Amino acid sequence: DAGVIQSPRHEVTEMGQEVTLRCKPISGHDYLFWYRQTMMRGLELLIYFNNNVPIDDSGMPEDRFSAKMPNASFSTLKIQPSEPRDSAVYFCASSVYWSGYTFGSGTRLTVV
Amino acid sequence: GNSVTQMEGPVTLSEEAFLTINCTYTATGYPSLFWYVQYPGEGLQLLLKATKADDKGSNKGFEATYRKETTSFHLEKGSVQVSDSAVYFCALSEETSYDKVIFGPGTSLSVIP
Repeated sequence: DAGVIQSPRHEVTEMGQEVTLRCKPISGHDYLFWYRQTMMRGLELLIYFNNNVPIDDSGMPEDRFSAKMPNASFSTLKIQPSEPRDSAVYFCASSVYWSGYTFGSGTRLTVV
Repeated sequence: GNSVTQMEGPVTLSEEAFLTINCTYTATGYPSLFWYVQYPGEGLQLLLKATKADDKGSNKGFEATYRKETTSFHLEKGSVQVSDSAVYFCALSEETSYDKVIFGPGTSLSVIP
């Protein structure tokens, strides 16, 4: 298996623009997680899905953030409009019962 | 609420030194415990896990024992290598909410030749 695949690896955008991050989980994994990592705040859980259904989005910082999982093999995290304080590394992870998480390589987002 | 506490870094060791990274947790019931490792520029990788008291997780020379009585899961390695330089995260998943993992703040390790 190719593991959890995220795209793009790097994204540089101007403040106010829409940003879409993509994730392909491991086939057969029924949980998908979106995390944000910064030096100041560490690793933060934004939202997670079970069988494509959002279970907990309490970590989503503002209405500017939204996430979807239209099918078992694809998820997006969208920021609209983006702000400089959104600059971070965004990770997607997937798992199956008790297996522990498998993380993607992350998307490094820079908003200027 | 449930939480994970780790020793603050950064930790700097010479090659072949003994490594201990302390981890303690607060949780109700019997959580599962994990260590993850993050190499520079990469995502976190599961290093080892333990699902019940007195279990020992091990992988790549690293070990950690689930100690219920001290609510600890300390990571150890007998002889570190330069390639072990990374950030190490202790984590738990709750007994009643296994799908949600709570991560500690991470401990940065640098191993010098």
